[in-house]
Amino acid sequence: GQQLNQSPQSMFIQEGEDVSMNCTSSSIFNTWLWYKQDPGEGPVLLIALYKAGELTSNGRLTAQFGITRKDSFLNISASIPSDVGIYFCAGADSNYQLIWGAGTKLIIKP
Amino acid sequence: DTEVTQTPKHLVMGMTNKKSLKCEQHMGHRAMYWYKQKAKKPPELMFVYSYEKLSINESVPSRFSPECPNSSLLNLHLHALQPEDSALYLCASGRQGTLNTEAFFGQGTRLTVV
Repeated sequence: GQQLNQSPQSMFIQEGEDVSMNCTSSSIFNTWLWYKQDPGEGPVLLIALYKAGELTSNGRLTAQFGITRKDSFLNISASIPSDVGIYFCAGADSNYQLIWGAGTKLIIKP
Repeated sequence: DTEVTQTPKHLVMGMTNKKSLKCEQHMGHRAMYWYKQKAKKPPELMFVYSYEKLSINESVPSRFSPECPNSSLLNLHLHALQPEDSALYLCASGRQGTLNTEAFFGQGTRLTVV
C-alpha cells in the first residue's frame, strides 16, 4: 500500500528557532494536509494544500505542495513553547483516501 | 460553530459491557468518520459515513458498530471489547460528500477496556 515518509521523527529545538519537517511519497497525491496534535486531544488542521507548487501560510506556519506532487514540507518560524506537540502530514490519493505520516514530535529544549 | 464535539472524554469499560461513543457537528458537513489512534501512532480510519450512509468500513470487527442517526450525529456502539481495543477514538467530519479529505477532528474519547 501507499506510505508516507515523514521526517524527522522528533526534533529538539530552542525557543525562537525555525523548524522544518517534510513528507515524501512514492505516489502522487491530490491534497496535502498538515495537522498538529496535543497530548490527549484530537488533531487540529493547520494547513490544507490542493495544487502542486502551492505555498500557503497560516501565521508563523508555511507549507508547500511539492511540484512533483509527491512531497510537502511544513516550516514553523520563531518557535514558541506552545508549538510543542506532534505534527502529522496526510495526503489524499486519487481515491481521496487519507494516507498519514508517522508524525514529527516537536520538543522545546529547556 | 466550527467544532466537532465528542462525549464522553474518558471511558473505562469491562469486556462484557455495552457502551456508546457520541459525536456531533454543526458545520453542515455531510461526511463523518471514526478513527482509532494508538499511542505515538497516526489515526487509523475505521468507518466513513457519507450523507448518513456507511460508505467505508475498514474491516473493523463487529464488536464496533457505527450509527449515523442524522447528518449532525455519529455514534459508535461498543460491545464485548478486548483490552487491545483501548485507544483514543476520534470522530471527524469533512466537507467532501463521499471522500476522506480535510477532516476536522473532535478531541476524542480515551477508551480503556479492563
